Amino acid sequence: DTEVTQTPKHLVMGMTNKKSLKCEQHMGHRAMYWYKQKAKKPPELMFVYSYEKLSINESVPSRFSPECPNSSLLNLHLHALQPEDSALYLCASSLLLGQGANTGELFFGEGSRLTVL
Amino acid sequence: DAKTTQPPSMDCAEGRAANLPCNHSTISGNEYVYWYRQIHSQGPQYIIHGLKNNETNEMASLIITEDRKSSTLILPHATLRDTAVYYCIVRPRFSGGGADGLTFGKGTHLIIQP
Repeated sequence: DTEVTQTPKHLVMGMTNKKSLKCEQHMGHRAMYWYKQKAKKPPELMFVYSYEKLSINESVPSRFSPECPNSSLLNLHLHALQPEDSALYLCASSLLLGQGANTGELFFGEGSRLTVL
Repeated sequence: DAKTTQPPSMDCAEGRAANLPCNHSTISGNEYVYWYRQIHSQGPQYIIHGLKNNETNEMASLIITEDRKSSTLILPHATLRDTAVYYCIVRPRFSGGGADGLTFGKGTHLIIQP
């Protein structure tokens, strides 16, 4: 299994809603990432988890709350978002140093396209 | 991560070799060159990476100049499905044993013409 699975593929929410994006991988990767991608722009790093601990937060607003409940799952909890938060949210995973044959490659999911009304 | 410079767009005829250049004049000795591509509405996909030797896999070839200040990704027989944004990224393969993600530049939008 070499897939990163993201659900839902599409999400529409109002500014007062609370929703979550989910990411799952079963490749034994101990690093997981959230990226945000606006239309016609490159992906931008939001959060990095290493061994289920948050290691990088790229100054993301607190209305985005990541969670890594176990080594296979990564969630992004959304609350009180703004229309400008509408974007494609990408999850990725990778091996960490010491985890066998590691090329440094990141494996990306297909993304969750979020629209905030 | 060192910065990279890529042309914003390129065209290539189907069946011909697509050669995508990347300048990385400030690359450090421990930094690798990685190439990813992103087909429209999909997640980025790893293509290939290298340190200083030329590399080839089933998808592409990577040619790195001797001074490592530039590289070229070669898709030997481009198909319509190769239309995508191609990102050249330089980074250490391992950053202190932890994970630091990838920093994407603007990339090159490669359009394969029928």
